[in-house]
Amino acid sequence: AQSVTQLGSHVSVSEGALVLLRCNYSSSVPPYLFWYVQYPNQGLQLLLKYTSAATLVKGINGFEAEFKKSETSFHLTKPSAHMSDAAEYFCAVTPQGGKLIFGQGTELSVKP
Amino acid sequence: NAGVTQTPKFQVLKTGQSMTLQCAQDMNHEYMSWYRQDPGMGLRLIHYSVGAGITDQGEVPNGYNVSRSTTEDFPLRLLSAAPSQTSVYFCASSYNEGGPYEQYFGPGTRLTVT
Repeated sequence: AQSVTQLGSHVSVSEGALVLLRCNYSSSVPPYLFWYVQYPNQGLQLLLKYTSAATLVKGINGFEAEFKKSETSFHLTKPSAHMSDAAEYFCAVTPQGGKLIFGQGTELSVKP
Repeated sequence: NAGVTQTPKFQVLKTGQSMTLQCAQDMNHEYMSWYRQDPGMGLRLIHYSVGAGITDQGEVPNGYNVSRSTTEDFPLRLLSAAPSQTSVYFCASSYNEGGPYEQYFGPGTRLTVT
């Protein structure tokens, strides 16, 4: 069975600081991995996805994530946080197109 | 394209009442799904469909019914609402074959059961 664990339900950073949101997965087959973002009172929007083409994946809004098979991780990073990055972030895994299994979510706060 | 639309945006029900949450997409996606979002639990899959006439259960199907008579529509029915079904409900759609494909989410329905 596949699963996702996001370490830290809440992360707080200062504006301009590095953003690091952690995601570890469990999968018996090569996984497809996603990061989604949810702004307050909105639906989810795709930030980036890993499809095995490249281990470093670049997404929208300056975010990127690195797939590390040896660590079963897919951490999300951004070099410099903006106030507009405050949102909830979800890591998700799927064995194929369709069915997504989500982590618990990490709420990112950005302090001025 | 309107993308994925959901109605209503908000709903309050009394215990035991029934209702249908509507979901529609205009992207000709084969795959559609319903999730519920509860604090600290992420999104959990309720039911999904890989095409018209085909549905299957997800992680938390109890208390919910679905049907898929057309490619565009995937309604979620609560037959007898319970306070435990208070949640935010999201519908999503994507292509299915090959992939992986991005899932497109609707804006959500916030449901309160008293």
